[in-house]
Amino acid sequence: QQPVQSPQAVILREGEDAVINCSSSKALYSVHWYRQKHGEAPVFLMILLKGGEQKGHDKISASFNEKKQQSSLYLTASQLSYSGTYFCGTGNTGTASKLTFGTGTRLQVTL
Amino acid sequence: DSGVTQTPKHLITATGQRVTLRCSPRSGDLSVYWYQQSLDQGLQFLIQYYNGEERAKGNILERFSAQQFPDLHSELNLSSLELGDSALYFCASTLGPTGGNTEAFFGQGTRLTVV
Repeated sequence: QQPVQSPQAVILREGEDAVINCSSSKALYSVHWYRQKHGEAPVFLMILLKGGEQKGHDKISASFNEKKQQSSLYLTASQLSYSGTYFCGTGNTGTASKLTFGTGTRLQVTL
Repeated sequence: DSGVTQTPKHLITATGQRVTLRCSPRSGDLSVYWYQQSLDQGLQFLIQYYNGEERAKGNILERFSAQQFPDLHSELNLSSLELGDSALYFCASTLGPTGGNTEAFFGQGTRLTVV
């Protein structure tokens, strides 16, 4: 089953913060976050594994709540380059072959 | 550059035709995954191959088939094409068989337009 992402779309001014949520109805082993610019390939941002710690680099970080089967992506002091569609992908077991992607959150950062 | 190569970048074909999309994984990666992305939609998993063998199947139509060759490149064959098959088709690769717990590298995609 496809994870649910919220919000579906968000518009920010440069410098503002945003949170994107990803929720699954199934137990999760891993959550992956990708960003896709229009017409381009999805680019890996980070992966969070069950039992692992919160991750982040630069001004983008993410958390994983195993009990709630949820993950959140935090974008701090957004930049124009953050614009794109963010997808979470979930793996249900440690041996999961594939990721199941959410429908995406479209983020637009304006001046 | 992810290291995953897909050809062709664009493909326009008529309904009822058959096409082949090609993917070369990142050097050293043994798994190849195919995803379909329709307009403004998420990524739908089609199929995975690991070291030449089919490992996982998603919502792949019977008109579609894939294989992975000894040199690890993969081909996705789409036949009896319909207008609704128009989409971006992405290939991704990982080192091991468990794409659920490792970073996947995506190719630039093949944009298929069926007219």
